[in-house]
Amino acid sequence: QSVLTQPPSASGSPGQSVTISCTGTSSDVGGYNYVSWYQQHPGKAPQLMIYQVNKRPSGVPDRFSGSKSGNTASLTVSGLQAEDEADYYCSSYAGSNNLYVFGTGTKVSVL
Amino acid sequence: EVQLVQSGAEVKKPGESLKISCKGSGYSFTSYWIAWVRQMPGKGLEWMGIIYPRDSDTRYSPSFQGQVTISADKSLTTAYLQWSSLKASDTAIYYCARLDLFITPHVFDIWGQGTMLTVSS
Repeated sequence: QSVLTQPPSASGSPGQSVTISCTGTSSDVGGYNYVSWYQQHPGKAPQLMIYQVNKRPSGVPDRFSGSKSGNTASLTVSGLQAEDEADYYCSSYAGSNNLYVFGTGTKVSVL
Repeated sequence: EVQLVQSGAEVKKPGESLKISCKGSGYSFTSYWIAWVRQMPGKGLEWMGIIYPRDSDTRYSPSFQGQVTISADKSLTTAYLQWSSLKASDTAIYYCARLDLFITPHVFDIWGQGTMLTVSS
């Protein structure tokens, strides 16, 4: 199955911002406003951070924000904190045949 | 509290069969789909398939069609993922996740804790 392309790693110092990209095609990211982002700490299950491109579930800090332009979605973490160090995965609806596709994942390090 | 609780870790031999479970609680189990997601060691997330417990409507990722079977028992509020003949390459962590297709479509909003499967001779 096809996957969405993310950079393997990203980093920033505490208080700084980091932006992660998620590149797909017009059949997934570009075709629908159904991009989600998930945070996964080592040994833990993924947790929803952003859905429908830029919406935050209750309880997710407003330091997390999402956007999309064409076939690329982005997650920005502002005011980096130590607890933001984790793997981040994007996901997109991909139509009635393939349904869903995940990104390759990005490891965010807080320096 | 809305939660999905999965069955425990498994160690199996190649060729054996297995069925793992995911029990939902704290919400209307028949109003949401359940998805299964694979994470191979050190790798990313892969969507395997989804099931709607109300009528057992099931959709599979093309990559997993014919390799696994997804089912559900709404009376037990439990979804299942099963293999008829395991391979070493099935070694992974398997997550179930609640999938909303109505209020906030196409969102995996609640995840189980994961079931680690090791297949080795």
